[in-house]
Amino acid sequence: NAGVTQTPKFQVLKTGQSMTLQCAQDMNHEYMSWYRQDPGMGLRLIHYSVGAGITDQGEVPNGYNVSRSTTEDFPLRLLSAAPSQTSVYFCASSSSGANVLTFGAGSRLTVL
Amino acid sequence: GQNIDQPTEMTATEGAIVQINCTYQTSGFNGLFWYQQHAGEAPTFLSYNVLDGLEEKGRFSSFLSRSKGYSYLLLKELQMKDSASYLCAVREYNTDKLIFGTGTRLQVFP
Repeated sequence: NAGVTQTPKFQVLKTGQSMTLQCAQDMNHEYMSWYRQDPGMGLRLIHYSVGAGITDQGEVPNGYNVSRSTTEDFPLRLLSAAPSQTSVYFCASSSSGANVLTFGAGSRLTVL
Repeated sequence: GQNIDQPTEMTATEGAIVQINCTYQTSGFNGLFWYQQHAGEAPTFLSYNVLDGLEEKGRFSSFLSRSKGYSYLLLKELQMKDSASYLCAVREYNTDKLIFGTGTRLQVFP
């Protein structure tokens, strides 16, 4: 089992560019979520999904979109990147609900 | 919403015991989690408490008091590899959100 796979691991963007962070899990987990981690701020919840076709906002959703068309995939889209979105992004999943989370390895995004 | 507080940094000596505290204020509580995160890596699950009391798992134990909004993680027989950040997280009732505190960075010295 690969677990939770995030791509890319590193990305540099210019202000205003768009991109998608990919997240895929092969554990048939219903629950998936995206967090960002900044120094001194801890992990902050961006968006989450309790199952295919269902998404909801977390603590810091502005500037990000998500969709959940399949159980396996939960992409995070930045429509117009801003320097404030420079961060490390983690995708995480659990079998049901916000239970024990399995995290991906993280994606480090720099916006210039 | 949630307000979760942890000390920013702690230091301890190899072989010693350390207690990392976490206090929370929440509009609805449905469980508390502890995660460990080594520098540059993803968090990994350590423990879970939903009822009051102590949960023991090897060298690590976690305690919860729901009436006081308080939890602690106890690490015994500290090893150098325990140098990491320890994250407290609270699951909100009815929303399925897992909200993290800012984490406690623990440094273990020989």
